[in-house]
Amino acid sequence: DVKVTQSSRYLVKRTGEKVFLECVQDMDHENMFWYRQDPGLGLRLIYFSYDVKMKEKGDIPEGYSVSREKKERFSLILESASTNQTSMYLCASRPPTRYEQYFGPGTRLTVT
Amino acid sequence: GENVEQHPSTLSVQEGDSAVIKCTYSDSASNYFPWYKQELGKGPQLIIDIRSNVGEKKDQRIAVTLNKTAKHFSLHITETQPEDSAVYFCAASMRGGADGLTFGKGTHLIIQP
Repeated sequence: DVKVTQSSRYLVKRTGEKVFLECVQDMDHENMFWYRQDPGLGLRLIYFSYDVKMKEKGDIPEGYSVSREKKERFSLILESASTNQTSMYLCASRPPTRYEQYFGPGTRLTVT
Repeated sequence: GENVEQHPSTLSVQEGDSAVIKCTYSDSASNYFPWYKQELGKGPQLIIDIRSNVGEKKDQRIAVTLNKTAKHFSLHITETQPEDSAVYFCAASMRGGADGLTFGKGTHLIIQP
């Protein structure tokens, strides 16, 4: 079974803090993605990566950056957290030979 | 960019009845249309998908239809069961989702006993 794990299920941070959300997949997938999920808005793509050291902006990259130093790990970074970044963050990975994206359980981030 | 509209936002059906969720997309270049189911406290999970060269696909009680001309696709669930209660998302993408998916806003499906 494909497993995508996220470092925290719940996280509370203060405005202005630097926040790291970690995602790890165990299936050697090349493609990895970060989405945020908000009530009534569905899932929106923040950043994605085709491979190590590669990153591409999604639909809502403002206020975020990413890091992919190893194939299995994709990190989302909030340089200076703001209250409008309070959300559920979902990581996903996708194998090169199939279209299906496999999602982690999500990290619910609250910025106060 | 792509825009996906999904309706209805909430759907309540009696157990055993059928449920239909509809989506429209804006970019005619989109070629991959998955449906995800999200249960409480979990990440979304793919339940069925369809590619643009196919008009219909079925997997047991679920089916998806695609009308490329009208740019809409639908999820059909027959003989609904309590475990079908969840939030369902449609999505669209080019390149098979390699660049990420554009999701609809979701449908909360409630199965009434």
